[in-house]
Amino acid sequence: GAGVSQSPSNKVTEKGKDVELRCDPISGHTALYWYRQSLGQGLEFLIYFQGNSAPDKSGLPSDRFSAERTGGSVSTLTIQRTQQEDSAVYLCASSPLTGFQPQHFGDGTRLSIL
Amino acid sequence: AQKITQTQPGMFVQEKEAVTLDCTYDTSDPSYGLFWYKQPSSGEMIFLIYQGSYDQQNATEGRYSLNFQKARKSANLVISASQLGDSAMYFCAMRNTGNQFYFGTGTSLTVIP
Repeated sequence: GAGVSQSPSNKVTEKGKDVELRCDPISGHTALYWYRQSLGQGLEFLIYFQGNSAPDKSGLPSDRFSAERTGGSVSTLTIQRTQQEDSAVYLCASSPLTGFQPQHFGDGTRLSIL
Repeated sequence: AQKITQTQPGMFVQEKEAVTLDCTYDTSDPSYGLFWYKQPSSGEMIFLIYQGSYDQQNATEGRYSLNFQKARKSANLVISASQLGDSAMYFCAMRNTGNQFYFGTGTSLTVIP
């Protein structure tokens, strides 16, 4: 498809397990962003990849969270030793780098930690 | 510091009426972009409208218009002829020259039939 694709759409796991969330951005979009949204809340910035530059990790809440982007395209957000407070919707967005263009969002991964 | 402020946690509007959702921003960048997104209860984030900091005219997209007042650092969204399907969360956002995005806390709009 032409949009941002995220998988899985839903993930239920036990506390303490590791999870991987995947984001496939729009082709040609060199900027990729991860956000977290708790129920009824706004968007919490997590990490931002800009082309080949070092990512901006300033929003990652703890060292249990990490992300990588392979080949400048697909990105994976990994949460180790999940906690119940990690339960949220994780949104990925991509945009071109040129001009002040909008982000385009995926449908998110709803993560539930039991 | 870059910041987006949305002071209306919740708004109500009668169907077919117009409504204004407030947004103010704070930046020292000379160039930036301002955006509004809609998030229905289904959860997807839908891009609505964009305003560039150097644009002389207010942006319009169908029933959406952006009331841009640069000196006051405000970028209010105006929805005309509200429809029931407009009920959703609305987020104001800003993109700076470093390609970082900043989002407000959102306004929940309810359209009353």
